Amino acid sequence: GNSVTQMEGPVTLSEEAFLTINCTYTATGYPSLFWYVQYPGEGLQLLLKATKADDKGSNKGFEATYRKETTSFHLEKGSVQVSDSAVYFCALTRGRDDKIIFGKGTRLHILP
Amino acid sequence: GAVVSQHPSRVICKSGTSVKIECRSLDFQATTMFWYRQFPKQSLMLMATSNEGSKATYEQGVEKDKFLINHASLTLSTLTVTSAHPEDSSFYICSASPGPQYGYTFGSGTRLTVV
Repeated sequence: GNSVTQMEGPVTLSEEAFLTINCTYTATGYPSLFWYVQYPGEGLQLLLKATKADDKGSNKGFEATYRKETTSFHLEKGSVQVSDSAVYFCALTRGRDDKIIFGKGTRLHILP
Repeated sequence: GAVVSQHPSRVICKSGTSVKIECRSLDFQATTMFWYRQFPKQSLMLMATSNEGSKATYEQGVEKDKFLINHASLTLSTLTVTSAHPEDSSFYICSASPGPQYGYTFGSGTRLTVV
């Protein structure tokens, strides 16, 4: 079946450090891939997405590239800020009305 | 665009009472909406898929008589937690999509506390 695996947290970094959160997936066909962010006490916000192989999603300094050969969609940011502290979820879906499958989430703490 | 509004954001109710949570797509129509439950520091668990004009599809292990879903229009889905108990206390989130190229938009969530 379809699944998403992302690195265990929490991840603690100092401000301006480089961030990588690994995400790999298992899916039939050609899924769309997403990263969502959840700030404390809030719902999820779409951070970025990629709908086909080799697409790069980017937003707010975050990037992720859809790698079909390695079935990965790792999230990266060159210089993190304290305000980036949140929980990040990798997810996939195969179509508009198909359910989203989430990874377990990675909690990120950025220290000033 | 692609805004999903969820109401209320917080609710406290007594055991045995029922609570209704609304999920609205404000600027697009959604034939399908999804309801999730999130326990503290955990990922989202899909509870059910809400289908406009037909019965909801529940995930395995979710009690359909406990969590009533009504999707009466293309912009509104409601989740009613019936005869609530303290173990139903959780964060409930809905989502919908205006189209595959947009991804899914989530409501801001409802924190339910049953006392």
